[in-house]
Amino acid sequence: DSGVTQTPKHLITATGQRVTLRCSPRSGDLSVYWYQQSLDQGLQFLIQYYNGEERAKGNILERFSAQQFPDLHSELNLSSLELGDSALYFCASSGQAGQGTGELFFGEGSRLTVL
Amino acid sequence: GESVGLHLPTLSVQEGDNSIINCAYSNSASDYFIWYKQESGKGPQFIIDIRSNMDKRQGQRVTVLLNKTVKHLSLQIAATQPGDSAVYFCAENNRGFQKLVFGTGTRLLVSP
Repeated sequence: DSGVTQTPKHLITATGQRVTLRCSPRSGDLSVYWYQQSLDQGLQFLIQYYNGEERAKGNILERFSAQQFPDLHSELNLSSLELGDSALYFCASSGQAGQGTGELFFGEGSRLTVL
Repeated sequence: GESVGLHLPTLSVQEGDNSIINCAYSNSASDYFIWYKQESGKGPQFIIDIRSNMDKRQGQRVTVLLNKTVKHLSLQIAATQPGDSAVYFCAENNRGFQKLVFGTGTRLLVSP
C-alpha cells in the first residue's frame, strides 16, 4: 500500500460528459502529480501541484483541469469527454517539490471508460 | 526532444535466471533516472534510481547500470522470481523540465 488513495477505481461514462477524479496523497506529502496511462502506453505526465499551487504542466488538454486543496487532496476534472480519453489515470505524491529528487508514490489508479 | 524508449516490449525468462531490461534515452541533459515496476491492476512502484554522476547502483536483487556515452540504462534482476512478473518502466528527468518522462514499458514474464 503506497498510502495514496484514488477514487473512484472505475468509472464509465458517455462522450461529452464531465467527471472528477479524486486523490489523497500520502500523509505529509505536499506534491501531487497526475498521469494518464492509455492501453499499452507509458505514463504521460499531466500536471503537478505543490502545496496548493501548480508546479509543472505536461501534456494536459485544455478540457482537463486540476486543483489541489488546502488539505492537500487533489482533483482532476475531465470535461467534454471523448472516446480517446478512456485510460487509467494515476495520482502520485511525494514530499519533494521537484520530480528529480526522489521517488513518487502512486495510487492504484482510476480507470475511466468513455462510451 | 525528449524520448525514452525500450528495446524489447516483452521479456520471457525462467525462474532463477537473471533478467536484463534495457532502456534508451535521448536527452543527454537528463540527470536522474528511475525504474518502476507495475503489476497488473496496480500503480507503478519504485524500484531503484540513479543519478547521472553514477554508473551503477545496487539494491536488493536489482542493479541499475547507466551508460551516459550511449545514453543507455539497464535494470538487472538477479534470480528472477514469478513475483517479478510485471511491466517495468524506466523514467528520466531533466531537472530543468521538472517532470519525469516515462518509457512505454517492458513486460517481464517469469515462467516457473
